[in-house]
Amino acid sequence: NAGVTQTPKFQVLKTGQSMTLQCAQDMNHEYMSWYRQDPGMGLRLIHYSVGAGITDQGEVPNGYNVSRSTTEDFPLRLLSAAPSQTSVYFCASSYGGQGIYEQYFGPGTRLTVT
Amino acid sequence: AQSVTQPDIHITVSEGASLELRCNYSYGATPYLFWYVQSPGQGLQLLLKYFSGDTLVQGIKGFEAEFKRSQSSFNLRKPSVHWSDAAEYFCAVATAGNNRKLIWGLGTSLAVNP
Repeated sequence: NAGVTQTPKFQVLKTGQSMTLQCAQDMNHEYMSWYRQDPGMGLRLIHYSVGAGITDQGEVPNGYNVSRSTTEDFPLRLLSAAPSQTSVYFCASSYGGQGIYEQYFGPGTRLTVT
Repeated sequence: AQSVTQPDIHITVSEGASLELRCNYSYGATPYLFWYVQSPGQGLQLLLKYFSGDTLVQGIKGFEAEFKRSQSSFNLRKPSVHWSDAAEYFCAVATAGNNRKLIWGLGTSLAVNP
């Protein structure tokens, strides 16, 4: 199993550009989520999905869109990048039910917006 | 509202010394509690979890944690630290009900002196 994979590992964007961060998992997990990690602010939930076709907002959803057309994939779209979105982004997945809390994380995408 | 506090931002220990990382939570009901570890440049990995039952739980890599309801604490311990334990450690509490999420502490950075 590859687990949770994220691409790209690094990305530099100019303000106003858009891009999609890719996330895929091969564990048939129902639950997937996106976090951003910033110094001194810990992990903050951006969006999550409890299954294909179902998504919901987390703590900091503004400026980001998600969709979940398959169980395996959960891409995160930045609509118009801003310097405040400079961060490290993690995708995570888990089983449903009580297993939802035992999350498997990808290696992260380090995004810089200039 | 649920919250997690990790009072120590940074801890340095010598290799072979014992370790205790503190975690305090605020939650109205019986909490589900977790410790995750993040090695440099990596995603997070689950170390151990507490749902119910025995208040001393064992995890991977020789770590254990003790749930103390009277102190609202879930401290992580290891009797003898190895250089490879240098990492960021995150405590988390789970919300229950229909809106299941993890509430994260801000993390404790552990450095290990040779």
